[in-house]
Amino acid sequence: KNQVEQSPQSLIILEGKNCTLQCNYTVSPFSNLRWYKQDTGRGPVSLTIMTFSENTKSNGRYTATLDADTKQSSLHITASQLSDSASYICVVSDRGSTLGRLYFGRGTQLTVWP
Amino acid sequence: EADIYQTPRYLVIGTGKKITLECSQTMGHDKMYWYQQDPGMELHLIHYSYGVNSTEKGDLSSESTVSRIRTEHFPLTLESARPSHTSQYLCASSTTKGAGNEQFFGPGTRLTVL
Repeated sequence: KNQVEQSPQSLIILEGKNCTLQCNYTVSPFSNLRWYKQDTGRGPVSLTIMTFSENTKSNGRYTATLDADTKQSSLHITASQLSDSASYICVVSDRGSTLGRLYFGRGTQLTVWP
Repeated sequence: EADIYQTPRYLVIGTGKKITLECSQTMGHDKMYWYQQDPGMELHLIHYSYGVNSTEKGDLSSESTVSRIRTEHFPLTLESARPSHTSQYLCASSTTKGAGNEQFFGPGTRLTVL
């Protein structure tokens, strides 16, 4: 069964600190993995995309890693800001269907305190 | 910011009412999707469309129906709303020409059925 598991479920950090969010998946055949940011009451917005051959990708203060062998990914946030408070969702796409089916994790709810 | 719109953003209605959630995108995307999301849970695909006059049911059984008469428009209808339909509904679109099946999400409609 294709699944995406994220940890921790929730996280509270102080402004300016770094944090790392984890994602484990069993989706096969694998196409790509995205990290989405979802602000409260809004739709998810893509932060990064990683394909099978990519190990690291950065987008500003966000750095994603991918280990396709162990089927794990992480999202590292550097120098957190209050605006980083949101749910971060790991989404894995398979290449076994014409739809390009997405498998969603439940997200990590990040709260940044001043 | 993705050009995909949903109305209304919030809706509170009584049991038994018929409702239609609107979704429009101006990106010319061929694929469109409806997801249901409860707090702290993953997104569940309830309907999708490959293009005009194409509609399919998703992974999560839903009593709602959809139509795709125009490329840009993908409305979702509930003939008789019940409290169990209370949830957030997210619309998304993607193009087969894009890289990595990125789905662009609308802001969502928060539905409450009393």
